Amino acid sequence: DVVMTQSPLSLPVTLGQPASISCRSSQSLVTSDGNTYLNWFQQRPGQSPRRLIFKVSTRDPGVPDRFSGSGSGTDFTLKISRVEAEDVGVYYCMQGTHPYTFGQGTKLEIK
Amino acid sequence: EVQLVESGGGLVQPGGSLRLSCAASGFTFSSYWMTWVRQAPGKGLEWVANIKEDGSEKCYVDSVKGRFSTSRDNGKNSLYLQMNSLRAEDTAVYYCARSNWADYWGQGTLVTVSS
Repeated sequence: DVVMTQSPLSLPVTLGQPASISCRSSQSLVTSDGNTYLNWFQQRPGQSPRRLIFKVSTRDPGVPDRFSGSGSGTDFTLKISRVEAEDVGVYYCMQGTHPYTFGQGTKLEIK
Repeated sequence: EVQLVESGGGLVQPGGSLRLSCAASGFTFSSYWMTWVRQAPGKGLEWVANIKEDGSEKCYVDSVKGRFSTSRDNGKNSLYLQMNSLRAEDTAVYYCARSNWADYWGQGTLVTVSS
């Protein structure tokens, strides 16, 4: 199975400052159809997860443009250009080929 | 508006069974793979199973193979997870999500396996 490793696991950030989360897979996520099924999710305290980004870099509808995804192969990054209070929560990457696997989660908090 | 509403969770003894349901609305249910994801208390997300649009293909995480079975009724816009031989480590909030890549999630239902 593909192992997804996130870092850091804890991310204290000052309001208005940028934040970056790394996600590495144990093998390349490029599939035979040429796509890379790497998704990012946000889980605010007490809420269900919400998908932010799919296929590495495409934002879901309604997701603020301060969120961006990048990467290729085995190395991926979620960036928040300017952290706001509503961004507090846990962020997960997920690879989308069977069997699907999530990273351990990165807890973003306000410093 | 896409809505997914899980139900059927509760307290069950080890070795027992439970059937979860997920009622879908706001989209053409029969056109989407559907997914189950769980989250143990205070822990991260774990993909559990998914099922093809017509129910002809199903995939499971190794830890539930042979014990859990997912199904769907497209006429009722409903997804199911039959959980047998439950263990303490199955204790979690169970979410249903639309598609293989979970673009919409329900609110979850808590399953507690304990004597």
